[in-house]
Amino acid sequence: EVRLVESGGGLVQPGGSLRLSCAVSGFTFRSYSMHWVRQVPGKGLEYVSGISSSGDSTNYANSVEGRFSISRDNSKNTLYLQMASLRTEDTAVYYCATDASEYSYGFFNNWGQGALVTVSS
Amino acid sequence: DIQMTQSPSTLSASVGDRVSITCRASQSINSWLAWYQQKPGKAPKLLIYKASTLESGVPSRFSGSGSGTEFTLTISSLQPDDFATYYCQEYNSYSYTFGQGTKVDIK
Repeated sequence: EVRLVESGGGLVQPGGSLRLSCAVSGFTFRSYSMHWVRQVPGKGLEYVSGISSSGDSTNYANSVEGRFSISRDNSKNTLYLQMASLRTEDTAVYYCATDASEYSYGFFNNWGQGALVTVSS
Repeated sequence: DIQMTQSPSTLSASVGDRVSITCRASQSINSWLAWYQQKPGKAPKLLIYKASTLESGVPSRFSGSGSGTEFTLTISSLQPDDFATYYCQEYNSYSYTFGQGTKVDIK
């Protein structure tokens, strides 16, 4: 069974930083691209960032470009999202998700339970 | 960026009804479209990809159609477990844009 467990969420002040982790098990982690998707409570889904299987290619939504950094450690089966210069509008539940294909199609078939990040003074 | 627009935003229906949700893309995305179901407090669940391919384990009452800019998710006979919010998502571009969601609730 594929399992994704996010951690690292919490309350942070505007302008602060936070790092989310996503531990993956039951899955050939090193073979698949990984992604972060967020959801403001009560609102829709927003794609945040993705990283290739090897980690040498990344992409970001315009709303987080230059402030967030995605990375992965294939030896630890773990995905990360380093968030800096946080804004109140970054408040959301952050989900990690696996790409459904080794060809990195960009749709997502396994999701974590989500980590709540609250940016507030 | 590609914009994805779903309609309706809310759909009230009864068990056994046939329901359809439309998703329109601001430019052609070929068939690079996925549909997800999300229930309150839960992560999204992949239902359909490549516009019409059913994900393994998803009931056959779900179906998808369309290509280019207009797509449809159909539930042939609504079941109690299907009351949820549904999202489309394009993967023609690296923006991976989601639609705003369609909530299916009990009439």
